[in-house]
Amino acid sequence: GESVGLHLPTLSVQEGDNSIINCAYSNSASDYFIWYKQESGKGPQFIIDIRSNMDKRQGQRVTVLLNKTVKHLSLQIAATQPGDSAVYFCAELARYNAGNMLTFGGGTRLMVKP
Amino acid sequence: AAGVIQSPRHLIKEKRETATLKCYPIPRHDTVYWYQQGPGQDPQFLISFYEKMQSDKGSIPDRFSAQQFSDYHSELNMSSLELGDSALYFCASSPPSGADTQYFGPGTRLTVL
Repeated sequence: GESVGLHLPTLSVQEGDNSIINCAYSNSASDYFIWYKQESGKGPQFIIDIRSNMDKRQGQRVTVLLNKTVKHLSLQIAATQPGDSAVYFCAELARYNAGNMLTFGGGTRLMVKP
Repeated sequence: AAGVIQSPRHLIKEKRETATLKCYPIPRHDTVYWYQQGPGQDPQFLISFYEKMQSDKGSIPDRFSAQQFSDYHSELNMSSLELGDSALYFCASSPPSGADTQYFGPGTRLTVL
């Protein structure tokens, strides 16, 4: 079936550098995407979202880019800090009847070196 | 701000036993979702409820059932537990008016021995 996935399982960056985490999706009907951060033993934490009628959305130190032509999503983290170390998931919203179901892509582990 | 509350946080059961996981959504949120996350895996959608009615069903085994109550809290009931049921179980909630964002709780870690 259609799914969401990530290119890199692990990303190691130096503190202060910018990080880019990528995600590919295949369901062209998806119109809403979320990035979650998950620290060990904790629940996914909402970072930023974007709807399909947008190409870019910015938050505090984070930017999400959506390229619908190639079905690609990316999360950019500026000035990466040790506290950013976690697993990052992109999630795609599939709409069914009365509800909505999130499909998660394979996580990318971000490791920040001091 | 209030978050999703899940209880218990940790649960240890024997094979073939039953377990009940509870979820209290963020106040005024009316939709609840349950996800299962195995070790090193993505969260997988199990089931969701909107206004106390089941709205979607994912990869939930027949041995599992769930419901949402009048106060919007939800319970996931798991019977005939198997070793493979050991996982993190997350509950998420979303606000009314068709909001799409789902906010996750801290999870319940279920270990089946």
